[in-house]
Amino acid sequence: DQQVKQNSPSLSVQEGRISILNCDYTNSMFDYFLWYKKYPAEGPTFLISISSIKDKNEDGRFTVFLNKSAKHLSLHIVPSQPGDSAVYFCAASKGGSEKLVFGKGMKLTVNP
Amino acid sequence: DVKVTQSSRYLVKRTGEKVFLECVQDMDHENMFWYRQDPGLGLRLIYFSYDVKMKEKGDIPEGYSVSREKKERFSLILESASTNQTSMYLCASTIWGARSQETQYFGPGTRLLVL
Repeated sequence: DQQVKQNSPSLSVQEGRISILNCDYTNSMFDYFLWYKKYPAEGPTFLISISSIKDKNEDGRFTVFLNKSAKHLSLHIVPSQPGDSAVYFCAASKGGSEKLVFGKGMKLTVNP
Repeated sequence: DVKVTQSSRYLVKRTGEKVFLECVQDMDHENMFWYRQDPGLGLRLIYFSYDVKMKEKGDIPEGYSVSREKKERFSLILESASTNQTSMYLCASTIWGARSQETQYFGPGTRLLVL
């Protein structure tokens, strides 16, 4: 039972344009959501997070939007850069637990 | 700088062998995790530990065991390796407490091939 879903396996965008990565979740108990980025041959690194009490969190070029009623979150990268090419994982947790539930990941390719 | 190291980047083992994957973190973190990453399946939690000698099963513990004798070290053990355990194994650690998830630091991974 996939509680965190990233339904698109890949996305390709041009440098300078916006990248929008989507994530859906099914467990209404999740109250904290994160995005991790992973380059080949490296471990994932934390990118940005959002609490369920907010609907938007911004950090430089990265913004995460949360729509609780739709159980949907998205990561916007503006402007996209070739160095953003990586696999992005959406993750969620509930009730202060240190355990994370990850999505399957989505490969982003930013073309120069 | 936080560092999580894994004993091997690549391993090739034969079916039935006992395999040890070691993970060491240098930040005095209480929590440590073992995941496996497979194409199309994302990261799945195998086991985690919130203290020395403490362990809890994750989502896919079958075929694995773990050991945490020291705070900085968390070992994943494949008692009898099978081909379906061919995967990328990722170790992570984090501090104890609420909202520590974003500080879940990952090691570089061990790519295990079981023949």
